[in-house]
Order: sequence, then structure tokens, then C-alpha cells
Amino acid sequence: DAGVIQSPRHEVTEMGQEVTLRCKPISGHNSLFWYRQTMMRGLELLIYFNNNVPIDDSGMPEDRFSAKMPNASFSTLKIQPSEPRDSAVYFCASRRVAGGITDTQYFGPGTRLTVL
Amino acid sequence: TQLLEQSPQFLSIQEGENLTVYCNSSSVFSSLQWYRQEPGEGPVLLVTVVTGGEVKKLKRLTFQFGDARKDSSLHITAAQPGDTGLYLCAGSGNQFYFGTGTSLTVIP
Repeated sequence: DAGVIQSPRHEVTEMGQEVTLRCKPISGHNSLFWYRQTMMRGLELLIYFNNNVPIDDSGMPEDRFSAKMPNASFSTLKIQPSEPRDSAVYFCASRRVAGGITDTQYFGPGTRLTVL
Repeated sequence: TQLLEQSPQFLSIQEGENLTVYCNSSSVFSSLQWYRQEPGEGPVLLVTVVTGGEVKKLKRLTFQFGDARKDSSLHITAAQPGDTGLYLCAGSGNQFYFGTGTSLTVIP
């Protein structure tokens, strides 16, 4: 299996620019999560989707952040405009939930974002 | 405010030593998971504990879930350099919360 795929792996941009992070979950998984990891705050859940529908976006820091999942095999996390404090590693994870049973959450390799 | 506090935050030990990492919370969780993360990679699940008082063993790693399902511990026996990494606990309740992490370095 290919695992969770994220792109780009590294992104360096200037303050004020739009940034789009992409994620392809594992085929057959119906839940998708976006996390942000920093030294100061650790690993934080930003938003998660079940069956392409956003369930909880309370972790999204502010209106500059938005996430979409147009179909079961693709999701984006967009930051517009970006700020230096958004610099972090952003992880996407997916899992399968079926019949009341929740499988393991699998993480992608992450996107390291640096906003100058 | 972190819902799950891990201690210690950093740990550096010699190969062959034993260690314990703690994960504490004031909240009750329906399940608790332990992950290990290596540099440049995402966290990888080690174990899930569900029942209060549950103990699970994974080779040299022993995981325990507190009776009240608010805390957990990870004990590593005879640590090896390959155990080096960031260990994260995560609690599942209404939402999913990760702990503050413990960075372990095992020196050969």
C-alpha cells in the first residue's frame, strides 16, 4: 500500500502568500485528519472529516485556515494569507470507520512549512 | 492548556537501561493510544488500551492504562538505540488529543 501521501514535503513561502497543502488518504479509509506540529504546542488536531464531511473544525486557528475534501481520495488545507507563526509541520492522517469499529489512524510523512 | 501532560519531556539514557514515560490527564478517555515518531516522519501507532487497569506488552515495551482511564504509562526494558524517538500518548473521547510528547535518546 502507498500509505497516506502528502505534498509538498517542504514549502518555503513569504508572509502574505497563499499556501495549499495536499493529502491523499489510504484507499478505503473514510476519515481524514489534519494536524499541526510545533515544538511549542506539540501535535494539534486542526480538523477532521468523516465521509468527506467536516465534523469538527474547532482546532482551526483562525479564518485564514480552510480545509476541503471534495472526494474520498483528496483533501486540501489552505492558509491565506500565511504568517510566520504558521510555520510548522502539517500532518494528514486517515483511518477506516465501519460498523462501529474504528481502525488505526495512519499518518502521512508531513509537510514542513516555513513562512518567512 | 494541554489536556494530556507527558513526563519527562526529554530523556537521555544509556543502552540497556530501563525507563518509564508517563501520560497524565484530569479527563477520562474511552481509549488511549501510544505512538512513536521518528524525525521527518509521522507518528506510528504502537498500542491502544481501552479498559481501565489494562496492561499490554509489545516485546520490551509495557503499556498500562490507569484504573480511572485518566492516565497511562509506557515502560521500556533494556532500551536500545533503535528505541530513540518521540513518544506520544493520545486520548480518545469526544475528540482526539495528543500529549505533549517525550523525546527519548538511547545512547549506544
